[in-house]
Amino acid sequence: DAGVIQSPRHEVTEMGQEVTLRCKPISGHNSLFWYRQTMMRGLELLIYFNNNVPIDDSGMPEDRFSAKMPNASFSTLKIQPSEPRDSAVYFCASSLGRTRRTGELFFGEGSRLTVL
Amino acid sequence: GQNIDQPTEMTATEGAIVQINCTYQTSGFNGLFWYQQHAGEAPTFLSYNVLDGLEEKGRFSSFLSRSKGYSYLLLKELQMKDSASYLCAVRDSGGSYIPTFGRGTSLIVHP
Repeated sequence: DAGVIQSPRHEVTEMGQEVTLRCKPISGHNSLFWYRQTMMRGLELLIYFNNNVPIDDSGMPEDRFSAKMPNASFSTLKIQPSEPRDSAVYFCASSLGRTRRTGELFFGEGSRLTVL
Repeated sequence: GQNIDQPTEMTATEGAIVQINCTYQTSGFNGLFWYQQHAGEAPTFLSYNVLDGLEEKGRFSSFLSRSKGYSYLLLKELQMKDSASYLCAVRDSGGSYIPTFGRGTSLIVHP
């Protein structure tokens, strides 16, 4: 399997611009997570989907952030408008959830976002 | 909510043994994970504990004590390539099945 695929790998944008990050989970996985990682705060959950339905979005910072999962093989995380404090590495991860005893997460390579 | 605590940084010598501790407080418990993350790369799964005791997997072992809210990751015969960040993650027993990650322990292995 190709693993979790994220794009873009790197994004540099200016404050106020819209940013869209994309994720293709591992085929057959029913759970999808968006995490944000910074030196200060570590790895923080933004949103969790199960069977394409958002289950927990309590980690989404504010209304500027939105996420969708229109089908089992694609998800997007959008930031509009972007701010310098959004600069971080955004990871998408997928798992088999409760169908597997461990339910460990498989992470994509991440999207490094820099907002100037 | 959950509170996960692990040391920020550790150093060790190639060939030695190192133990990375993780303590947690959670309202419910449904498993503890260890992940390895090399600089600039994605976290990768190392181990999973849900019952008390030691799980061994090659050079790596992970221990859990649920009553103490404590786990450790033991790395034996350290190699330079083991230099990485090690993340402890706890999954609660609620319906969400979501793991919460600690800040990670940066391990530096020197010759």
